Amino acid sequence: LAKTTQPISMDSYEGQEVNITCSHNNIATNDYITWYQQFPSQGPRFIIQGYKTKVTNEVASLFIPADRKSSTLSLPRVSLSDTAVYYCLVGDWGGSASKIIFGSGTRLSIRP
Amino acid sequence: DAGVTQSPTHLIKTRGQQVTLRCSPKSGHDTVSWYQQALGQGPQFIFQYYEEEERQRGNFPDRFSGHQFPNYSSELNVNALLLGDSALYLCASSLAWGPGANVLTFGAGSRLTVL
Repeated sequence: LAKTTQPISMDSYEGQEVNITCSHNNIATNDYITWYQQFPSQGPRFIIQGYKTKVTNEVASLFIPADRKSSTLSLPRVSLSDTAVYYCLVGDWGGSASKIIFGSGTRLSIRP
Repeated sequence: DAGVTQSPTHLIKTRGQQVTLRCSPKSGHDTVSWYQQALGQGPQFIFQYYEEEERQRGNFPDRFSGHQFPNYSSELNVNALLLGDSALYLCASSLAWGPGANVLTFGAGSRLTVL
């Protein structure tokens, strides 16, 4: 099971682009990289998932280098409402192949 | 289309009591996982159910048990409650196979307080 390492906390300001990097040196060939966002007293919410290169959706982009040993979640033009904890997960859970393990996440604080 | 629903939202129990938490998965999902989240910590994996069987289990004692019903809904039971069981209990649903297996949809959680 690939272990992930993320910064404990980050601060930024409204309107800025925020990049959160996750290290996963032991990622396996079949593993996907998935990011979740969690607000206080709520369940985590899926943000984006990728396998390699770049993935973009309406809320974020995910950059994955060729060796896949790290990934970067990019949040464009953040607002106060982006203040939350962000989790990076790595694994392949098809067919209940493995446990879905959350780390401690990155606590992102956005200031006016 | 309803997402994952959990009940109750809040409950208070005393040490030694038993509690049952309920979860209805997102429509179309067949796999349910349960997590325990203490204040300031990431969610801790308890177990996962698919086809009414426990498929994976985290590092939790046998006091924690579960069940999945034919309609894919699930229950989490905790016996002999301890003060340390106080936490937010999260239910997540997903598909068992394909890319959707890696995307969890979470409920809002059940906040359990043990006194």
